Amino acid sequence: AQKITQTQPGMFVQEKEAVTLDCTYDTSDQSYGLFWYKQPSSGEMIFLIYQGSYDEQNATEGRYSLNFQKARKSANLVISASQLGDSAMYFCAMREPFDYKLSFGAGTTVTVRA
Amino acid sequence: NAGVTQTPKFRILKIGQSMTLQCTQDMNHNYMYWYRQDPGMGLKLIYYSVGAGITDKGEVPNGYNVSRSTTEDFPLRLELAAPSQTSVYFCASSYADFTDTQYFGPGTRLTVL
Repeated sequence: AQKITQTQPGMFVQEKEAVTLDCTYDTSDQSYGLFWYKQPSSGEMIFLIYQGSYDEQNATEGRYSLNFQKARKSANLVISASQLGDSAMYFCAMREPFDYKLSFGAGTTVTVRA
Repeated sequence: NAGVTQTPKFRILKIGQSMTLQCTQDMNHNYMYWYRQDPGMGLKLIYYSVGAGITDKGEVPNGYNVSRSTTEDFPLRLELAAPSQTSVYFCASSYADFTDTQYFGPGTRLTVL
């Protein structure tokens, strides 16, 4: 079964607007970590933000925030005030205890328009 | 502090050839990983290591081998390259806990013809 589902293959957003990228996950563990990575066209994987399953507050890192809804098993990434440099593929990933790998979704491509 | 470095950046192999992808980290992380990313997909774990001398298989280990003789280095060996191994390969490292971030190298783009 797919552990991470990202249902939006591609999105367009106007510069300076906010965009929300959807991520749902599947786990039977109570403890887990959720991560978002950015992959620009140059190919590297850049860590953006982390949310722990027991964190009561939604994680924020600059213009990135995570809308964490544990009961819905949802961890949506919000990018505020989009910039042209935000155009990239964004991956949601999860790591469960006793599992060494990150389980990745298929990714969402974001294109920021001037 | 260079983080995770990988060489080479690009490589073209012929079917049946072998090569080693190099990975080095300078963050004193115990855990290191090799992932592959096929076009339009997320990453899949090939092998991982929890410390020098300790390695184990991930989701897609067939056709690959690894070794870890030092904390810093984690090379990935491809034996008898096949077209199915055409992919982008990422090395990553982290501290031990599942809540710790995995930091990725820049990737190696490999084509097998």
